[in-house]
Amino acid sequence: KAGVTQTPRYLIKTRGQQVTLSCSPISGHRSVSWYQQTPGQGLQFLFEYFSETQRNKGNFPGRFSGRQFSNSRSEMNVSTLELGDSALYLCASSYGQGAINEQFFGPGTRLTVL
Amino acid sequence: AQSVTQPDIHITVSEGASLELRCNYSYGATPYLFWYVQSPGQGLQLLLKYFSGDTLVQGIKGFEAEFKRSQSSFNLRKPSVHWSDAAEYFCAVGENSGYALNFGKGTSLLVTP
Repeated sequence: KAGVTQTPRYLIKTRGQQVTLSCSPISGHRSVSWYQQTPGQGLQFLFEYFSETQRNKGNFPGRFSGRQFSNSRSEMNVSTLELGDSALYLCASSYGQGAINEQFFGPGTRLTVL
Repeated sequence: AQSVTQPDIHITVSEGASLELRCNYSYGATPYLFWYVQSPGQGLQLLLKYFSGDTLVQGIKGFEAEFKRSQSSFNLRKPSVHWSDAAEYFCAVGENSGYALNFGKGTSLLVTP
C-alpha cells in the first residue's frame, strides 16, 4: 500500500505570495491532518479534515486554510506569506477520527519564504 | 493547560549503550501516548503507542516505553542503540475526544562509534 504523498517536496516563495500544498492520504484513509514544524515552535497542529469537513483547527491565523476532496485528498493554502511561515508542513492520514487511530505521516513539504 | 515536555533537547550515546528518552505530560484525563521518530528529510514514523492495559509497551526497532501514571511519564527505552537510531524523537499525546496530537519539542539523538 502506498504511503502518504505530499507535493511539492520543496517550495520557495516570496513574502506576500500565496501557496497551495497537496496531500494524498493512504488509500482508504478518510482523515487528513496538517501540522507545521519549525525549529522554534516544534510540531503544531493546523487542522484536520474528515469526510470533506474541517473537524478541528489549531491556533493559526485565517491565512491558513484547507480543504478535502471526495477522494480524501487534501490541500492547504497559505495566503499573504510571511517570513515566519517558513517551515516543514506535514500531512498525516488515518482511517478514522480520534487519537486512537494511528496517523501515518508524509515526508512533508519544505516551504521557504524569502 | 495540556502540555508535553521532553526535558532533553540533545542526547549522545555510544553505539551499543542503553538509551532512555524522557517524556512528561500534563493532561486531565488518561491520554493516548505516542513516540515518533523522524530521520533527516523524512516524515514521522510511529515507534509505539499506549492507550490502556499493560503499562510496558513494545514497539518497532527494539524500542519500548513505560507509562507511569503517578509520574505522568512515558519514557522511551532501548537496551542497545545502533548507529541507525540517530534521529529526532518526539513524544506526543492525544485524546480520543479530539484529534490533534500535542507534540513535545523533540530530543535529538546522536550515536557515537
